[in-house]
Amino acid sequence: SQTIHQWPATLVQPVGSPLSLECTVEGTSNPNLYWYRQAAGRGLQLLFYSVGIGQISSEVPQNLSASRPQDRQFILSSKKLLLSDSGFYLCAWGTNQPQHFGDGTRLSIL
Amino acid sequence: AQTVTQSQPEMSVQEAETVTLSCTYDTSESDYYLFWYKQPPSRQMILVIRQEAYKQQNATENRFSVNFQKAAKSFSLKISDSQLGDAAMYFCAYRSPNTGNQFYFGTGTSLTVIP
Repeated sequence: SQTIHQWPATLVQPVGSPLSLECTVEGTSNPNLYWYRQAAGRGLQLLFYSVGIGQISSEVPQNLSASRPQDRQFILSSKKLLLSDSGFYLCAWGTNQPQHFGDGTRLSIL
Repeated sequence: AQTVTQSQPEMSVQEAETVTLSCTYDTSESDYYLFWYKQPPSRQMILVIRQEAYKQQNATENRFSVNFQKAAKSFSLKISDSQLGDAAMYFCAYRSPNTGNQFYFGTGTSLTVIP
């Protein structure tokens, strides 16, 4: 069976601190991987997607970055967090579309 | 970027009744894919139903069906015989086959099921 792990579940960080959210997938190979952000009262915003190792496409300009060091590992990072980075972050994988989502990370910036 | 609009932030339905959630989108492409996702309170997103734009027949998955009106760029979700477990946030989404894996979601509709 396929599973997707995302951690941490909740995170409280001060403004200007770095960020690293990790997502790993099991039970499949060469998946398409996605990072989404869900702000309060808004829909899911696609941040990054990856079709393979080292291949990252960015959808919106921001101070976030993503990396895919391994086939089933997707990392969301920031060198300096902003207040506007607060939100709920979801990792997902799929073949033709996001099919399976992680449990999400609630990020609060103080 | 394509725009997906869900004009109903909140909807409610009586248990066992039918409810329709609206979704419209803006695109200049002729071939694309449309989806409805469900996000229950557990926050785990679930793919409910998918529609290819080249198919005229509306997709159906058990109690869930869509009304796809390509000319009107409308993609509504009908939930029949609503159950308490249907209570969730529902997201409409659009995917273009011509621009990689860009995938756009609407702002969601919160569905309440009244016992």
